[in-house]
Amino acid sequence: AQKITQTQPGMFVQEKEAVTLDCTYDTSDQSYGLFWYKQPSSGEMIFLIYQGSYDEQNATEGRYSLNFQKARKSANLVISASQLGDSAMYFCAMRDMTTDSWGKLQFGAGTQVVVTP
Amino acid sequence: GAVVSQHPSWVICKSGTSVKIECRSLDFQATTMFWYRQFPKQSLMLMATSNEGSKATYEQGVEKDKFLINHASLTLSTLTVTSAHPEDSSFYICSARDLGSVSYEQYFGPGTRLTVT
Repeated sequence: AQKITQTQPGMFVQEKEAVTLDCTYDTSDQSYGLFWYKQPSSGEMIFLIYQGSYDEQNATEGRYSLNFQKARKSANLVISASQLGDSAMYFCAMRDMTTDSWGKLQFGAGTQVVVTP
Repeated sequence: GAVVSQHPSWVICKSGTSVKIECRSLDFQATTMFWYRQFPKQSLMLMATSNEGSKATYEQGVEKDKFLINHASLTLSTLTVTSAHPEDSSFYICSARDLGSVSYEQYFGPGTRLTVT
């Protein structure tokens, strides 16, 4: 069974600083995908970044980068130059591509980020 | 980008009544849609996987007769909460996979907030 662990329930970060959100996962499958989503107070789920298990390079999308350490089974999200609008809940999620053809996502517990001026 | 809508965005109903929530993919076809439930300050919990033209697959612990899912077309899936009770009050989110895309991304709807009085 898959498991996603986010150990940081909440974090404060100062504007313009970088912040790292931790995510570890547990799977016995070789082919899987890792996702990060942002959920502001409005509730919408905003896709941030994706990393495939076979991708050799860490994914980057603008101010977001994913620090993928396969051997350690970690997929930490780094947000650079934090902005007030980054205040939100952040979820790490995993999709098993070996056995699940539908693409179900399993989510971690989430990390609440508050950016302060 | 791909857009998924949900209707209604919020609903209040009396205990014992049924409520239908619609999930539509506006600019793409989705053979597979997912329904999630999210309680305050918690993560998204997958309720069921909805496939066009076939019966939905429910996650363990989700009552099939209480949460009726219908995926009648490639752009519409509905979730009906039957005989709703206050404990069913939650944020319900749907997501959809693009049939024509090689991306593994799921596109999320904006969510429906259900309050049962």
